[in-house]
Amino acid sequence: QKEVEQDPGPLSVPEGAIVSLNCTYSNSAFQYFMWYRQYSRKGPELLMYTYSSGNKEDGRFTAQVDKSSKYISLFIRDSQPSDSATYLCAMASGAQKLVFGQGTRLTINP
Amino acid sequence: DTGVSQNPRHKITKRGQNVTFRCDPISEHNRLYWYRQTLGQGPEFLTYFQNEAQLEKSRLLSDRFSAERPKGSFSTLEIQRTEQGDSAMYLCAYAGLDEQFFGPGTRLTVL
Repeated sequence: QKEVEQDPGPLSVPEGAIVSLNCTYSNSAFQYFMWYRQYSRKGPELLMYTYSSGNKEDGRFTAQVDKSSKYISLFIRDSQPSDSATYLCAMASGAQKLVFGQGTRLTINP
Repeated sequence: DTGVSQNPRHKITKRGQNVTFRCDPISEHNRLYWYRQTLGQGPEFLTYFQNEAQLEKSRLLSDRFSAERPKGSFSTLEIQRTEQGDSAMYLCAYAGLDEQFFGPGTRLTVL
C-alpha cells in the first residue's frame, strides 16, 4: 500500500463547476500538507500549505485536512479553463522529504 | 519565477553515457532536495542537503547516481552509465519554513 493515495482521474468538468480533489494517507506522522499544481512539462507550483486540521482558504481554493480520518481535500470554486492541470497532494513528517500522491489530471471545459 | 533555476532543461543522451544536471536557487537556502518524476506519477524523493551535508538518500539513488552541494548553494546531480529507465523529469526544490518550492526540472531522455 502506498503511503499516499490519490485518484489519478482524469477528471473533466464544465467551467464554473466546483472541483473536489482528494488524497488519503496511511502515515500518522505526517504533519504538513501541501497541494501543488503542475502544468504539462513544468515543475510543480505550490498552491496551498497547511499543518493543522480544518480548512484554509485562498481565493477560489480551499484546502481541508482531517487528520483523524487521514484525508485531505482541495476544493476549487468557479473553476476556469486555466485551472486545467495536474494537481498533486504532498505531505511530510517534518523538515524532510515530501511524499506525493500520483496526481489528478483535471480538465475544465469552456 | 520559482526562485530556482535548473540546467539543462532537456537532455537527450545515449544509453551508457554520463549526464550532469545543475540546480541553482536564486538566494541561499539551507535545505535543498532532488526528486524524480516519471510520466503519470508524482515526484519521488531522491536526496536532500542541509547546507553542504547530504543528509538522506533514497534507495532509488543507486550507486550510479551522485549528488553534491559543494558550497551550500548550487547543487549537481550526476548519473553515470545511464539506462533507459533513468528517463524522467529531475526536479530540484528548496525549502522555505516547511513547504518546498520546485524548479522547472530537467527532462532526461535516454535513447
